[in-house]
Amino acid sequence: DAGVTQSPTHLIKTRGQHVTLRCSPISGHKSVSWYQQVLGQGPQFIFQYYEKEERGRGNFPDRFSARQFPNYSSELNVNALLLGDSALYLCASTLSPGEETQYFGPGTRLLVL
Amino acid sequence: GENVEQHPSTLSVQEGDSAVIKCTYSDSASNYFPWYKQELGKGPQLIIDIRSNVGEKKDQRIAVTLNKTAKHFSLHITETQPEDSAVYFCAALSTGTASKLTFGTGTRLQVTL
Repeated sequence: DAGVTQSPTHLIKTRGQHVTLRCSPISGHKSVSWYQQVLGQGPQFIFQYYEKEERGRGNFPDRFSARQFPNYSSELNVNALLLGDSALYLCASTLSPGEETQYFGPGTRLLVL
Repeated sequence: GENVEQHPSTLSVQEGDSAVIKCTYSDSASNYFPWYKQELGKGPQLIIDIRSNVGEKKDQRIAVTLNKTAKHFSLHITETQPEDSAVYFCAALSTGTASKLTFGTGTRLQVTL
């Protein structure tokens, strides 16, 4: 069975640019969450989506946005990139928001120069 | 909001010895506590979890204990092997409109021969 997949694996951008990261959840899972993991720290919650609607948002600026598609895949968009946005961006999938267990993908490593 | 503290930040043990990682959480409403293992360049992998109505759970060489009164939970790895070397994260789940994991800062475990 395929797990959570994310693309691209690595990305280099310059300050001020925008970026789109993609995630496909485990087959049958309908909820996707996004986390940011800065080097040396634990992941931090950005968003959770279910049935194409945002269910919750962490303490991140409006430059961060996301959406979920009818096939439950998701995109994370970050505008006006800052050096501090350099991190590993992780996608986690769950059956539904009420389900506790979250399975993570391999992440997209973003470097902002 | 929830706050999770994790200790130690680094842990070095000899192969065959036991390793213990401890976490505390602040929100008494949290009721699900997973542990993740993260190897270099990979996403977090769920290794064991415990729910608030259970005090202890074991899976082969890995066990987790939970003390709800003290808001402590711990990971125990027995008979450590070199392949156990990785960064381990504890987390606590907050539920509401979204299921949000709050992570500890991680423990780098090194198992030496």
